Amino acid sequence: KNQVEQSPQSLIILEGKNCTLQCNYTVSPFSNLRWYKQDTGRGPVSLTIMTFSENTKSNGRYTATLDADTKQSSLHITASQLSDSASYICVVSAGGGADGLTFGKGTHLIIQP
Amino acid sequence: DSGVTQTPKHLITATGQRVTLRCSPRSGDLSVYWYQQSLDQGLQFLIQYYNGEERAKGNILERFSAQQFPDLHSELNLSSLELGDSALYFCASSHATAGGRGETQYFGPGTRLLVL
Repeated sequence: KNQVEQSPQSLIILEGKNCTLQCNYTVSPFSNLRWYKQDTGRGPVSLTIMTFSENTKSNGRYTATLDADTKQSSLHITASQLSDSASYICVVSAGGGADGLTFGKGTHLIIQP
Repeated sequence: DSGVTQTPKHLITATGQRVTLRCSPRSGDLSVYWYQQSLDQGLQFLIQYYNGEERAKGNILERFSAQQFPDLHSELNLSSLELGDSALYFCASSHATAGGRGETQYFGPGTRLLVL
């Protein structure tokens, strides 16, 4: 069964600090991996999309890495800001249509001043 | 603002009732996707339409149905509502049909449904 596991479930850090969120998956076949940011009560917003051949992708202070051999991805946030407080969701695609997407339950990140 | 609109924002109803959620995709997008998000379940894919036709189906209950109209807006109908149907319902859109092939999906603000 395709699964996406995210850790930690929740994380609290001080403003200005860096943090790394983890995503492990068992989706097969693998097509691409996405990270979304979801503010409380709002729709998810895409941060990065990585295919098999990409192992790093950046979007401002967000950097995602992918190790397709170990089936792991991480999202690194640099110099955190209060606006980074949100849930971060890892989504892995087995290709095909939207029914091939497997969603993680997310990491809830809180940035404290 | 993603360009995807959803109405209503909030909906409170009773068990056994039927409700309709509406979604307008971004201009030019042909695909519409519906998702359910419960507190303990994360995002669950329900169904996808492309240019008026059903294209992919996920964990959608038989009590739920959807359609996409010629102007590309979509409606999700939920009937015989149960307490467990209380959740956030999101609509997303993308230009083409291959939402799982690396194409970005743009999510709407969601409809919060509370079944009492």
